[in-house]
Amino acid sequence: QVQLVQSGAEVKKPGASVKVSCKASGYTFTGYFINWVRQAPGQGLEWIGRINPNSGGTNYAQKFQGRVSMTRDTSVTTAYMELSRLRSDDTAVYYCARNGGQWLGAWGQGTLVTVSP
Amino acid sequence: SYELTQPPSVSVSPGQTASITCSGDKLGDEYVCWYQLRPGQSPVLVIYQDINRPSGIPERFSGSNSGNTATLTISGTQAMDEGDYYCQAWDSSIVVFGGGTKLTVL
Repeated sequence: QVQLVQSGAEVKKPGASVKVSCKASGYTFTGYFINWVRQAPGQGLEWIGRINPNSGGTNYAQKFQGRVSMTRDTSVTTAYMELSRLRSDDTAVYYCARNGGQWLGAWGQGTLVTVSP
Repeated sequence: SYELTQPPSVSVSPGQTASITCSGDKLGDEYVCWYQLRPGQSPVLVIYQDINRPSGIPERFSGSNSGNTATLTISGTQAMDEGDYYCQAWDSSIVVFGGGTKLTVL
Protein backbone atom coordinates (compact mmCIF):
# COMPACT_ATOMS: atom_id res chain seq x y z
CA GLN A 1 0.00 0.00 0.00
CA VAL A 2 1.08 3.59 -0.58
CA GLN A 3 2.99 4.98 2.40
CA LEU A 4 4.67 8.28 3.06
CA VAL A 5 6.76 8.34 6.22
CA GLN A 6 8.17 11.64 7.39
CA SER A 7 11.09 12.50 9.61
CA GLY A 8 10.62 13.43 13.25
CA ALA A 9 9.83 16.67 15.01
CA GLU A 10 12.33 19.52 14.90
CA VAL A 11 13.02 22.52 17.10
CA LYS A 12 14.91 25.36 15.47
CA LYS A 13 15.98 28.87 16.34
CA PRO A 14 14.89 31.87 14.28
CA GLY A 15 17.10 32.32 11.25
CA ALA A 16 18.03 28.65 11.05
CA SER A 17 17.03 26.13 8.37
CA VAL A 18 15.10 22.89 8.63
CA LYS A 19 15.05 19.92 6.27
CA VAL A 20 12.15 17.48 6.43
CA SER A 21 12.19 14.14 4.64
CA CYS A 22 9.38 12.05 3.19
CA LYS A 23 10.11 8.39 2.48
CA ALA A 24 7.77 6.87 -0.12
CA SER A 25 6.93 3.21 -0.55
CA GLY A 26 4.31 1.01 -2.16
CA TYR A 27 4.33 2.66 -5.58
CA THR A 28 6.65 3.89 -8.33
CA PHE A 29 8.28 6.93 -6.72
CA THR A 30 9.06 8.68 -9.99
CA GLY A 31 5.48 8.40 -11.23
CA TYR A 32 3.82 10.95 -8.94
CA PHE A 33 4.54 14.49 -7.76
CA ILE A 34 5.19 15.03 -4.06
CA ASN A 35 3.61 18.14 -2.56
CA TRP A 36 4.40 19.88 0.72
CA VAL A 37 1.61 21.43 2.79
CA ARG A 38 1.69 22.97 6.23
CA GLN A 39 -0.78 23.84 8.98
CA ALA A 40 0.19 26.42 11.56
CA PRO A 41 -1.52 26.33 14.97
CA GLY A 42 -5.12 27.46 14.61
CA GLN A 43 -4.69 28.07 10.88
CA GLY A 44 -5.73 26.33 7.69
CA LEU A 45 -3.86 24.22 5.18
CA GLU A 46 -1.23 26.09 3.19
CA TRP A 47 0.45 24.73 0.07
CA ILE A 48 4.21 25.25 -0.05
CA GLY A 49 5.10 23.60 -3.35
CA ARG A 50 5.73 20.35 -5.16
CA ILE A 51 8.44 18.36 -6.83
CA ASN A 52 8.42 16.00 -9.78
CA PRO A 53 10.54 13.09 -8.52
CA ASN A 54 11.22 12.01 -12.10
CA SER A 55 12.74 15.24 -13.39
CA GLY A 56 13.43 17.10 -10.17
CA GLY A 57 11.37 20.00 -11.46
CA THR A 58 9.63 22.12 -8.85
CA ASN A 59 6.75 24.56 -8.41
CA TYR A 60 6.73 26.80 -5.35
CA ALA A 61 4.05 29.04 -3.88
CA GLN A 62 5.07 32.64 -4.36
CA LYS A 63 5.09 33.20 -0.61
CA PHE A 64 7.97 30.75 -0.18
CA GLN A 65 10.01 31.55 -3.28
CA GLY A 66 13.64 32.11 -2.33
CA ARG A 67 13.25 30.45 1.05
CA VAL A 68 12.25 26.88 0.15
CA SER A 69 14.06 24.15 -1.70
CA MET A 70 12.57 20.79 -2.64
CA THR A 71 14.78 17.93 -3.70
CA ARG A 72 14.59 14.17 -4.04
CA ASP A 73 16.81 11.12 -3.98
CA THR A 74 15.36 8.45 -6.22
CA SER A 75 17.82 5.82 -4.94
CA VAL A 76 16.08 5.89 -1.55
CA THR A 77 12.64 7.04 -2.81
CA THR A 78 12.72 10.07 -0.56
CA ALA A 79 11.67 13.67 -1.07
CA TYR A 80 13.01 16.56 0.97
CA MET A 81 11.76 20.03 1.82
CA GLU A 82 14.19 22.57 3.21
CA LEU A 83 12.96 25.89 4.55
CA SER A 84 15.51 28.54 5.42
CA ARG A 85 15.56 31.79 7.42
CA LEU A 86 12.97 30.38 9.78
CA ARG A 87 10.65 32.70 11.69
CA SER A 88 8.32 32.05 14.58
CA ASP A 89 5.36 32.00 12.21
CA ASP A 90 6.90 29.03 10.40
CA THR A 91 5.96 26.93 13.44
CA ALA A 92 3.60 24.37 11.95
CA VAL A 93 2.95 20.76 11.11
CA TYR A 94 4.46 20.05 7.70
CA TYR A 95 2.96 17.31 5.53
CA CYS A 96 4.09 15.66 2.34
CA ALA A 97 1.34 14.41 0.05
CA ARG A 98 1.30 12.50 -3.21
CA ASN A 99 -0.40 13.87 -6.29
CA GLY A 100 -2.92 11.42 -7.72
CA GLY A 101 -4.24 13.23 -10.74
CA GLN A 102 -5.38 16.62 -9.48
CA TRP A 103 -5.86 15.50 -5.91
CA LEU A 104 -3.63 14.69 -2.96
CA GLY A 105 -4.59 11.14 -2.23
CA ALA A 106 -1.92 9.98 0.21
CA TRP A 107 -0.42 12.00 3.03
CA GLY A 108 2.48 11.57 5.38
CA GLN A 109 1.93 11.58 9.13
CA GLY A 110 3.16 15.15 9.51
CA THR A 111 6.28 16.68 11.04
CA LEU A 112 6.04 19.33 13.73
CA VAL A 113 8.56 22.12 13.24
CA THR A 114 8.83 24.51 16.16
CA VAL A 115 10.71 27.78 15.75
CA SER A 116 11.62 29.23 19.11
CA PRO A 117 14.45 31.43 20.45
CA SER B 1 -3.91 34.92 -7.13
CA TYR B 2 -6.89 32.60 -7.11
CA GLU B 3 -8.95 32.44 -3.91
CA LEU B 4 -11.39 29.89 -2.55
CA THR B 5 -13.87 31.01 0.09
CA GLN B 6 -15.52 28.72 2.65
CA PRO B 7 -17.78 29.50 5.60
CA PRO B 8 -15.79 29.33 8.85
CA SER B 9 -18.28 27.00 10.51
CA VAL B 10 -21.28 24.80 9.87
CA SER B 11 -23.40 23.06 12.49
CA VAL B 12 -25.65 20.07 11.95
CA SER B 13 -27.69 17.71 14.09
CA PRO B 14 -26.87 14.00 13.98
CA GLY B 15 -28.68 12.29 11.12
CA GLN B 16 -29.28 15.51 9.24
CA THR B 17 -27.63 16.78 6.06
CA ALA B 18 -24.63 19.10 6.19
CA SER B 19 -23.62 21.24 3.24
CA ILE B 20 -20.27 23.00 3.03
CA THR B 21 -19.70 25.46 0.20
CA CYS B 22 -16.56 26.59 -1.55
CA SER B 23 -16.69 29.65 -3.79
CA GLY B 24 -14.28 30.90 -6.42
CA ASP B 25 -14.36 32.71 -9.74
CA LYS B 26 -15.60 30.27 -12.41
CA LEU B 27 -14.86 27.41 -10.02
CA GLY B 28 -17.18 25.16 -12.01
CA ASP B 29 -14.62 25.18 -14.81
CA GLU B 30 -12.09 23.52 -12.51
CA TYR B 31 -11.95 20.22 -10.68
CA VAL B 32 -12.43 20.51 -6.92
CA CYS B 33 -11.54 18.06 -4.20
CA TRP B 34 -12.30 17.99 -0.49
CA TYR B 35 -10.28 16.94 2.55
CA GLN B 36 -11.32 16.10 6.09
CA LEU B 37 -8.93 17.04 8.86
CA ARG B 38 -9.39 15.83 12.40
CA PRO B 39 -7.21 16.97 15.33
CA GLY B 40 -3.95 15.08 15.50
CA GLN B 41 -4.52 13.32 12.19
CA SER B 42 -3.36 13.83 8.62
CA PRO B 43 -5.81 15.15 6.04
CA VAL B 44 -8.01 12.58 4.35
CA LEU B 45 -9.29 12.96 0.80
CA VAL B 46 -13.08 12.54 0.81
CA ILE B 47 -14.04 13.81 -2.68
CA TYR B 48 -11.97 14.22 -5.85
CA GLN B 49 -12.77 15.55 -9.32
CA ASP B 50 -15.89 17.26 -7.97
CA ILE B 51 -18.00 14.16 -7.36
CA ASN B 52 -15.88 11.06 -6.86
CA ARG B 53 -15.37 9.23 -3.58
CA PRO B 54 -12.09 7.40 -2.90
CA SER B 55 -12.43 3.81 -1.78
CA GLY B 56 -13.23 3.60 1.90
CA ILE B 57 -15.10 6.89 2.06
CA PRO B 58 -18.74 6.37 3.07
CA GLU B 59 -21.50 6.94 0.54
CA ARG B 60 -22.96 9.70 2.69
CA PHE B 61 -20.22 11.98 1.34
CA SER B 62 -21.02 13.56 -2.02
CA GLY B 63 -19.90 16.57 -4.02
CA SER B 64 -21.03 18.92 -6.74
CA ASN B 65 -19.52 21.85 -8.61
CA SER B 66 -21.20 24.38 -10.88
CA GLY B 67 -20.90 28.05 -11.67
CA ASN B 68 -18.85 29.68 -8.93
CA THR B 69 -19.62 27.21 -6.14
CA ALA B 70 -18.61 23.70 -5.18
CA THR B 71 -20.49 21.91 -2.42
CA LEU B 72 -19.63 19.04 -0.13
CA THR B 73 -22.73 17.31 1.18
CA ILE B 74 -22.78 14.87 4.06
CA SER B 75 -26.08 13.01 4.33
CA GLY B 76 -27.08 11.38 7.59
CA THR B 77 -24.22 13.13 9.38
CA GLN B 78 -22.59 11.18 12.16
CA ALA B 79 -20.60 12.34 15.17
CA MET B 80 -17.45 10.90 13.59
CA ASP B 81 -17.81 13.39 10.71
CA GLU B 82 -16.99 16.29 12.99
CA GLY B 83 -13.80 18.06 11.95
CA ASP B 84 -12.42 20.63 9.53
CA TYR B 85 -13.08 20.41 5.82
CA TYR B 86 -11.02 22.03 3.10
CA CYS B 87 -11.75 22.44 -0.58
CA GLN B 88 -8.88 22.48 -3.04
CA ALA B 89 -8.42 23.41 -6.68
CA TRP B 90 -5.56 24.29 -9.02
CA ASP B 91 -4.50 27.65 -10.40
CA SER B 92 -2.20 26.65 -13.26
CA SER B 93 0.46 24.56 -11.48
CA ILE B 94 -0.33 25.97 -8.04
CA VAL B 95 -2.49 24.25 -5.43
CA VAL B 96 -5.07 26.47 -3.78
CA PHE B 97 -6.89 25.57 -0.56
CA GLY B 98 -9.99 27.14 0.83
CA GLY B 99 -9.78 28.59 4.32
CA GLY B 100 -11.48 25.58 5.87
CA THR B 101 -14.86 24.97 7.50
CA LYS B 102 -15.30 23.59 10.98
CA LEU B 103 -18.16 21.09 11.00
CA THR B 104 -19.82 20.66 14.37
CA VAL B 105 -22.27 17.82 14.94
CA LEU B 106 -24.52 18.66 17.86
